[in-house]
Amino acid sequence: DTGVSQNPRHKITKRGQNVTFRCDPISEHNRLYWYRQTLGQGPEFLTYFQNEAQLEKSRLLSDRFSAERPKGSFSTLEIQRTEQGDSAMYLCASSLIPSHSYEQYFGPGTRLTVT
Amino acid sequence: AQKITQTQPGMFVQEKEAVTLDCTYDTSDPSYGLFWYKQPSSGEMIFLIYQGSYDQQNATEGRYSLNFQKARKSANLVISASQLGDSAMYFCAMRDVRGTALIFGKGTTLSVSS
Repeated sequence: DTGVSQNPRHKITKRGQNVTFRCDPISEHNRLYWYRQTLGQGPEFLTYFQNEAQLEKSRLLSDRFSAERPKGSFSTLEIQRTEQGDSAMYLCASSLIPSHSYEQYFGPGTRLTVT
Repeated sequence: AQKITQTQPGMFVQEKEAVTLDCTYDTSDPSYGLFWYKQPSSGEMIFLIYQGSYDQQNATEGRYSLNFQKARKSANLVISASQLGDSAMYFCAMRDVRGTALIFGKGTTLSVSS
C-alpha cells in the first residue's frame, strides 16, 4: 500500500491553457474525492466518485472543470481555459466505504499556478 | 448548514509540553463524524483522529486525543508531549450529512520550539 499519489506535484500554466491532473488512490478504496485548497483556507470539496460513477459535484466545479474515473481506479481532473482564480492546491483523497469512520486519505496535492 | 470553526490562527508551544487546538462545529444532524488532519509544509493532509457523534468515549491515538464535548459542540485536539515534528497546520473537519464530503475549518498553525 503506497498511499494516494498525485501527478504532477506542481504545474505552472498560462491563462487560457488546459491542464490535467492525475490521482491514483489506495488500491482497494472504492471512493475518490477531489478538493481545492487556496492559501490560508481549508480544503473545499469539488466532486467524488464511487467506483467509476461520479455521484456528486460541488457548485465550485464550473463547466470548465471535468473529472473522470474511467475504470474505477485512477482519476483525472481537467481544467479548460484556466483563469488566475484557478491557482490553488488540488487535493485528491480516497476512502473505503463502508467503514467505521469513512476517513479519507489524502495525496500530496498538485499545486497549480496560472500566470 | 454545517460549519467548522477554528478560532486560533496560530499556537506556539515548547517541546514536551501539551497543547490544545480548539474546534467548534455546527450541525443539526444527530449523526456526524469529526476528524483532525495535520498538514505539514509539504502539503499532504495526514489523518490523525476520528470521533463519531455516538461514540461513548473520547478518541485517542497515541499522543493525540480528542476532547469531545457534545453539548458545547466542541471537538478539541490535545497533543501531549509536543515534538518539533508536530509543527504544521492542523485542520478540524466534519463529514457532511450525506457521508461524503468533508467540511474543513480554516486551520490552526502550530509552532513547536526547542
